[in-house]
Amino acid sequence: DTAVSQTPKYLVTQMGNDKSIKCEQNLGHDTMYWYKQDSKKFLKIMFSYNNKELIINETVPNRFSPKSPDKAHLNLHINSLELGDSAVYFCASSQVQSLGGELFFGEGSRLTVL
Amino acid sequence: RKEVEQDPGPFNVPEGATVAFNCTYSNSASQSFFWYRQDCRKEPKLLMSVYSSGNEDGRFTAQLNRASQYISLLIRDSKLSDSATYLCVVNILLNTGGFKTIFGAGTRLFVKA
Repeated sequence: DTAVSQTPKYLVTQMGNDKSIKCEQNLGHDTMYWYKQDSKKFLKIMFSYNNKELIINETVPNRFSPKSPDKAHLNLHINSLELGDSAVYFCASSQVQSLGGELFFGEGSRLTVL
Repeated sequence: RKEVEQDPGPFNVPEGATVAFNCTYSNSASQSFFWYRQDCRKEPKLLMSVYSSGNEDGRFTAQLNRASQYISLLIRDSKLSDSATYLCVVNILLNTGGFKTIFGAGTRLFVKA
């Protein structure tokens, strides 16, 4: 069983399109995240949700809109895709009550904008 | 200044060598510390937590110096399978009582036969 699963794994699309990436975790964790890893391999947090409530929203263009229908799911919708959006997007989850809680990552969704 | 800084490497070492990675963090509200490992085209995975007293897990030893805001990872008797990127990770306590996890850019290690 995959603990954190995200789909699709690969996404190739044209500039200006709208796309979504879905994420689900079966660990019973309270907190879910979206991270972006660019071509320089720098992993940067985008959003964090705790029990469906947004708790971290870094400086991300408002073309990016996360949605959490329940605490096991956190989807990422991207409008009007730009070349600079090309990256690997990782979903992750953790048990927020524990400050030392491990982050469990999905396998990543590689987005290529042409 | 980046919140978490690491030497990007790459470190090229022969099998059996001992290699050390360093990491510094800038936010004094940093509460907990970790090393993650990321293989090429894979997701990051927790390698070990870092405790103030220092801790060891097999060939891996992690150290934390809060006064200097410095974290280290020592790998002894390197194996080919240790080749990966090692990410220094810091949890920062927020005013809301929650925390934010910040990743360093990673240090690449290549272990050669």
